[in-house]
Amino acid sequence: EVQLVESGGGLVKPGGSLRLSCAASGFTFSSYSMNWVRQAPGKGLEWVSSISSSSTYMYYADSVKGRFTISRDNAKNSLYLQMNSLRAEDTAVYYCARDRGQLIRDAFDIWGQGTMVTVSS
Amino acid sequence: QSALTQPASVSGSPGQSITISCTGTSSDVGGYNYVSWYQQHPGKAPKLMIYDVSNRPSGVSNRFSGSKSGNTASLTISGLQAEDEADYYCSSYTSSYTRVFGGGTKLTVL
Repeated sequence: EVQLVESGGGLVKPGGSLRLSCAASGFTFSSYSMNWVRQAPGKGLEWVSSISSSSTYMYYADSVKGRFTISRDNAKNSLYLQMNSLRAEDTAVYYCARDRGQLIRDAFDIWGQGTMVTVSS
Repeated sequence: QSALTQPASVSGSPGQSITISCTGTSSDVGGYNYVSWYQQHPGKAPKLMIYDVSNRPSGVSNRFSGSKSGNTASLTISGLQAEDEADYYCSSYTSSYTRVFGGGTKLTVL
């Protein structure tokens, strides 16, 4: 079964850091670009970051640029999001999502169940 | 990176058809055929319903269809069913190599 499972969410103080992980299974992870998408409570979806299949290209939303870093380990079938200098407005459910193909432009065809990040003092 | 514009809500009766619009610019919706649509039920992860403007993934009902004209994409759901009640989001690739979502549309089946 094709599956993405996020972990690493939790409660963190403003200015703090957190590292999210996404474990992939059931498909050839190294053949797909991957993404992080977030959803603040009661709000819509917001694209956060994308990484190409071989980590050559990485892109970020302006709202997180310079604070968040996306990475992947194809040997471990895992995607990561290092989040630094966290703000209250980063509070959201963070989803890991697979691109339909290698190109960072396609639709998100597989989603994880999400992990909640709460930034509060 | 401004969000794409969707109506906040639409409604229809069972059996009817509804259309949700998604308006962007020539730098996103109008410039590429990489528009996708997602369905999200409360407390659940989004589900891909349409990709590349008008293509349906395997397993998605043919009651769902997509189209695009200029800077506006549309999702049409025909033969509305109670299970279609959900939030719907459009998304597009952009000229900045990023992706952008619409604000979301709440579909109510009356």
